[in-house]
Amino acid sequence: ETGVTQSPTHLIKTRGQQVTLRCSSQSGHNTVSWYQQALGQGPQFIFQYYREEENGRGNFPPRFSGLQFPNYSSELNVNALELDDSALYLCASSPAHRQGPNTEAFFGQGTRLTVV
Amino acid sequence: TQLLEQSPQFLSIQEGENLTVYCNSSSVFSSLQWYRQEPGEGPVLLVTVVTGGEVKKLKRLTFQFGDARKDSSLHITAAQPGDTGLYLCAGGGYGQNFVFGPGTRLSVLP
Repeated sequence: ETGVTQSPTHLIKTRGQQVTLRCSSQSGHNTVSWYQQALGQGPQFIFQYYREEENGRGNFPPRFSGLQFPNYSSELNVNALELDDSALYLCASSPAHRQGPNTEAFFGQGTRLTVV
Repeated sequence: TQLLEQSPQFLSIQEGENLTVYCNSSSVFSSLQWYRQEPGEGPVLLVTVVTGGEVKKLKRLTFQFGDARKDSSLHITAAQPGDTGLYLCAGGGYGQNFVFGPGTRLSVLP
């Protein structure tokens, strides 16, 4: 089975631009969550997608948006980029949208976004 | 808002030493997970604990979930350079997404 893959691995954007990050979930997983990890910090939950609909959102502004496709892959879109958006963006897939005791999330390697 | 604290923030030890890192919260979690993250990579799940007082062992790593399910510890015996990395704890609740702590950055020197 394939793991979680993210693209691109690195990206440099200018303040004010828009960016789209992509994630392919692990085979058999229907839920995708996105996290932002700033340098030296733990991952912060952005939002989760289940069956192509947003299923929970963290404390991030509306310029952070997403999509999930019928094959369960997902995109994270960020508009009007700010310098503080520079971070590692992680995608995690899991087989269920409700975190039970045996629900495991598998992370991709992340996309390193730098905003200049 | 559920928050997790981890201590110490940084730890540098010699190969062969033992160490314990801690994860604490004022909130109760139905489960708690430990991850290790290496530079340029995503976190890799080490263990999930779900029962208060539960102890799980993974080779030289011992994980414990507090009786009240508010805290957890990770003990590493005879640390090796390959144990170097960022250790993250993440608390989960039914219907909620994981809340991550800030991590403990461990460096094991040969």
